[in-house]
Order: sequence, then structure tokens, then C-alpha cells
Amino acid sequence: GQQLNQSPQSMFIQEGEDVSMNCTSSSIFNTWLWYKQDPGEGPVLLIALYKAGELTSNGRLTAQFGITRKDSFLNISASIPSDVGIYFCAGATPVAGNNRKLIWGLGTSLAVNP
Amino acid sequence: DVKVTQSSRYLVKRTGEKVFLECVQDMDHENMFWYRQDPGLGLRLIYFSYDVKMKEKGDIPEGYSVSREKKERFSLILESASTNQTSMYLCASSHGQGRRQPQHFGDGTRLSIL
Repeated sequence: GQQLNQSPQSMFIQEGEDVSMNCTSSSIFNTWLWYKQDPGEGPVLLIALYKAGELTSNGRLTAQFGITRKDSFLNISASIPSDVGIYFCAGATPVAGNNRKLIWGLGTSLAVNP
Repeated sequence: DVKVTQSSRYLVKRTGEKVFLECVQDMDHENMFWYRQDPGLGLRLIYFSYDVKMKEKGDIPEGYSVSREKKERFSLILESASTNQTSMYLCASSHGQGRRQPQHFGDGTRLSIL
């Protein structure tokens, strides 16, 4: 199936650093979602974006819906050890009947050194 | 809060057995999904359902079937388990078409086939 290009694949950073990751698609999306998965758990929704250019924050996390509607970015400021996990992007295309399915990135694995 | 409950966190079965994975959601969501997650491969959609008794194949349906007899419950069935079906299985649910609602996940079932 179709997948998003998510980068970087992994990151190892020092506590306190800022983090940036992004997803790109060859298709136009009308929804971008960012999830975090802790080890042994299911993904948890962090931020949902529904409009091109939209910038939304959730605490230290900020995500943006790209103007071209083909990309999205997630930034984490002042990282802490509990930010460790896998971050996934997911998107939905504006095709009739396809709002139910999401297209997923392969994830960005984040490690934080205290 | 949305609650998606998967019946088992860990399951060990033998090759050739028929395996049932159960998922229940309490938010009256129309859509339900089954994914499998393997290292480096992200989330891959097995089957999804947008209504009771309705189902659609995802990207990797081979070797699996599903059942949705009630709106809140979606079952994944491995007809004859094989070792290559050892994986993390994730259930998710969301509101129906026309509402750009994100998917909400259960905690996953880690299935080992011996």
C-alpha cells in the first residue's frame, strides 16, 4: 500500500534539545495526524491538522500542515526523557469514500540522553 | 475519553491453530481497523469495517479474516496460524465517513506463533 516518506528514521539527542521531523507525500492530503507510541503500547494521538497552513500546539509539541498539502512537520521543544518513543505521521486523502483509511509513515524513533 | 480494549496483551499459540483476537470500543464509532506492526515496516492495515457486517480488505489481508456482528466489537481471525504471523496486532476505531476524525488505538496484542 501507499506510504508516506517520514524522516529522519531515528534520532538520538541530548535532553533539552529541540527535535524536528517531517512527512511528505506525492498525494494531496486533507488531514494530517501525528501519533506517539511508547514501547509495548498502542499509538496515542498527539495532534490533528485539518487545514493547509494550520499550525497547532500541544504543550511542547507543535505541528504544521504544509501549504502544498503534501507535507507536515512536528517539532518538539526542550526534549525530556519521557519523549522517548516512536512518532508516526498519518494522512488522509480527499477522495470520496476514503476518509476512513489513513496512510502511514514508517515512524521516527526518538532516543533522549538525560 | 475514547476507550479501545483488546482482549489480550500477550498471546502464544501453535502453528495451525485458529486464533481469535478481540477488540471492543466504547465510543459508538462506525469504523474499526486491524493493523499489524513489525519492526521497520510501520503499521500495515489488514482489514477494516465501516459498519456492522461490513468489511473491506486492507493492504495485507492474506491469512486473515474478520467479523463484525456488533457495532462495538471487531474480531480478527487467523484461520490457520503460521509463524510469519508472529507480530504486534493493533485495533483502532474512528467516527464514520464525512467526519475527519482520527483513529484511536488499543494497547495492542503481542502474538507469538510457535
